[in-house]
Amino acid sequence: GAGVSQSPSNKVTEKGKDVELRCDPISGHTALYWYRQSLGQGLEFLIYFQGNSAPDKSGLPSDRFSAERTGGSVSTLTIQRTQQEDSAVYLCASSLPTSGTQYFGPGTRLTVL
Amino acid sequence: TQLLEQSPQFLSIQEGENLTVYCNSSSVFSSLQWYRQEPGEGPVLLVTVVTGGEVKKLKRLTFQFGDARKDSSLHITAAQPGDTGLYLCAGALNFGNEKLTFGTGTRLTIIP
Repeated sequence: GAGVSQSPSNKVTEKGKDVELRCDPISGHTALYWYRQSLGQGLEFLIYFQGNSAPDKSGLPSDRFSAERTGGSVSTLTIQRTQQEDSAVYLCASSLPTSGTQYFGPGTRLTVL
Repeated sequence: TQLLEQSPQFLSIQEGENLTVYCNSSSVFSSLQWYRQEPGEGPVLLVTVVTGGEVKKLKRLTFQFGDARKDSSLHITAAQPGDTGLYLCAGALNFGNEKLTFGTGTRLTIIP
């Protein structure tokens, strides 16, 4: 596709359930980022993948959060045992290795009841 | 601790007026970016500034990076309803393709 895509666009789940959020970056972009945006707020960095390097997980809020990037392309963010405070929009971005421009997807709105 | 503080948090003005949004930090950034985000969409990059004192213009938008690379401003001249949105500044602490630290955001509403 032409841009970063994310699925699902909306996810409603019950407290304690696990969820998986998917990100398809722009073809050829080796860098991939996950951010979290709470209602009306700025973005909070979660995790960063660059090529085959070990990911920068410094922004993950707890061990309930994890992310994978298979084959250097698609990424999945997994939240285990979801809590109500996990409710937010989860945004994915990708970029070329030599460019500072991050292209964002539309996000996945997660609601934990 | 919020590294980047934006002000004002909310701004509602009449069409045709001018406005300035500020982004301030105690940290030095290698580069600073401004994004605009509309409901249901991800942020879209407007500009990147990398040199202290740098000024960039994008039509009616003027962006300035502070001399010490700790702060930035966005000035909009003759605001139009299409300028409505959430404006976010974001700084990179290191050169290269690193994670961004985002500001708290300024929600701008232009009243026709």
